[in-house]
Amino acid sequence: DQQVKQNSPSLSVQEGRISILNCDYTNSMFDYFLWYKKYPAEGPTFLISISSIKDKNEDGRFTVFLNKSAKHLSLHIVPSQPGDSAVYFCASVKAGTALIFGKGTTLSVSS
Amino acid sequence: EAGVAQSPRYKIIEKRQSVAFWCNPISGHATLYWYQQILGQGPKLLIQFQNNGVVDDSQLPKDRFSAERLKGVDSTLKIQPAKLEDSAVYLCASSFTGGTYNEQFFGPGTRLTVL
Repeated sequence: DQQVKQNSPSLSVQEGRISILNCDYTNSMFDYFLWYKKYPAEGPTFLISISSIKDKNEDGRFTVFLNKSAKHLSLHIVPSQPGDSAVYFCASVKAGTALIFGKGTTLSVSS
Repeated sequence: EAGVAQSPRYKIIEKRQSVAFWCNPISGHATLYWYQQILGQGPKLLIQFQNNGVVDDSQLPKDRFSAERLKGVDSTLKIQPAKLEDSAVYLCASSFTGGTYNEQFFGPGTRLTVL
C-alpha cells in the first residue's frame, strides 16, 4: 500500500528549461511534504518542504506546489542545470514520525 | 558541523551470514532512524529511536534484524542470518527532535550485497 507515489521513473530536460516532478499521496493526515535529492553513492539531502497548510513554497530555483484537494504536489526547477541531475524523492511526514518516501524520479538535465 | 557517519560503506556476505552496521548521528540529535532502500524503491523506515528508546520498529523484521542505541548516541543495526532479499542500501538519519517535524539528515549509507 503505497502512501506516496511518484509515477514517473525518469524525466529528461534540456538545460535552462523547466523541470516538473510530480508526486501523489493518499493520506490526508500528513503534516509536511518534502523533496529530497540523491546523488549516486550519497545519502538523500533535503531540498525543500511545504507545510500541509500552505499551497506554495519557493527557494531560489526550486518551488513546491501543494494541491490538497487532488492530493498532489509538484516540484518545479527553473532554470534546470546539469548539476540538478539526480534522483528526486518525494516524502511525506506526520509530526514525530519517520518519512514515507516515494520510489523516486531520475532527472537528467542535458547541456 | 560533521554529518551523519556510517560504516562500512560496502559489505558483501553470503546468505545466512551475519552483518552489522554502525551509525554516528550529528551531535545533539536525539532522534535516529534506520532506513532500508532496495534498488528502485524509496527508503523505508526500519526503526526510529528517540534518545535510547524505540519509537517505532513496526517494519523491522525482528526474527532477523536487531538494532540498539545503548547510550543514546551511536547505533548499530544487525542482520542475522542474512537473506538474499536483504541486499539493499541501509541509510541512517538523525534529526534534532522527533516531537515535531524537523529536517532529517542522512548518512551516505551502507550498500549490502547478499550472495
